[in-house]
Amino acid sequence: AQKITQTQPGMFVQEKEAVTLDCTYDTSDPSYGLFWYKQPSSGEMIFLIYQGSYDQQNATEGRYSLNFQKARKSANLVISASQLGDSAMYFCAIENSGYSTLTFGKGTMLLVSP
Amino acid sequence: GAVVSQHPSRVICKSGTSVKIECRSLDFQATTMFWYRQFPKKSLMLMATSNEGSKATYEQGVEKDKFLINHASLTLSTLTVTSAHPEDSSFYICSANGQGNYGYTFGSGTRLTVV
Repeated sequence: AQKITQTQPGMFVQEKEAVTLDCTYDTSDPSYGLFWYKQPSSGEMIFLIYQGSYDQQNATEGRYSLNFQKARKSANLVISASQLGDSAMYFCAIENSGYSTLTFGKGTMLLVSP
Repeated sequence: GAVVSQHPSRVICKSGTSVKIECRSLDFQATTMFWYRQFPKKSLMLMATSNEGSKATYEQGVEKDKFLINHASLTLSTLTVTSAHPEDSSFYICSANGQGNYGYTFGSGTRLTVV
C-alpha cells in the first residue's frame, strides 16, 4: 500500500515570501509519480506539478518547484514569491502505478497574508 | 488543456431520493474515471474506478448499490447516489485520464446536501 504524509495542517506566509510545504511518501513500487494539487475554497482540484520517480531533475512549473529527495522519500513543494491567491488547501498525492490511482495526503492549508 | 466538466456543482435533495452527478471529458477520451468523496477539511477518498464499458471497481467499504457508477462512453461517467440520506451529504469530485491526457484532470466537484 502507498501512503502520503503531510505533517503541516496549516502554514502561514507573507506575500512575496517563499514557502515550503512538506510531503513524505511510502511505497514499495520502484516506479511511481508524485503530484501536487491546489484546492481553493471553491473546491476544484488544480494540478500544479508532477515528479516521476526516475526523473533526474527536480520538476519546476513557474513559481512552483518540487524538492525531490528520493532517498528520504520526500517531495516538498516550494512556492516562490507567494501571492494572496495562493491561499488554498494543498494536497500531495502518489500514483499507484499498478492500478493508476492516486492516494492523497491529508493536505496543508496555506494562508498568505498581505 | 484537458477539461472535465462536472454537473451539478451544488444539489440539495430530500432524504430518500436519488441524485445523479455527471462528469464529461470535453476534449479527450476518458478511458478511466475516478470518483472521490471529500468531507469538510479532509482529504479525498477514492470511492471507485471505472473503465469505459465495464463495471466499476469499488474501494473497500463503499456500497456499490448506493453509489451507482456508469461509464457508458469515453466522454461520460455518472455517479448516482440512490436513496440518499443526510450522512451522504458531502463533496463529490471526479477525475479522468485517458488518450490525449497525461495525468489526472479533475472536475469542479459537486456539493451534495441531503435534507
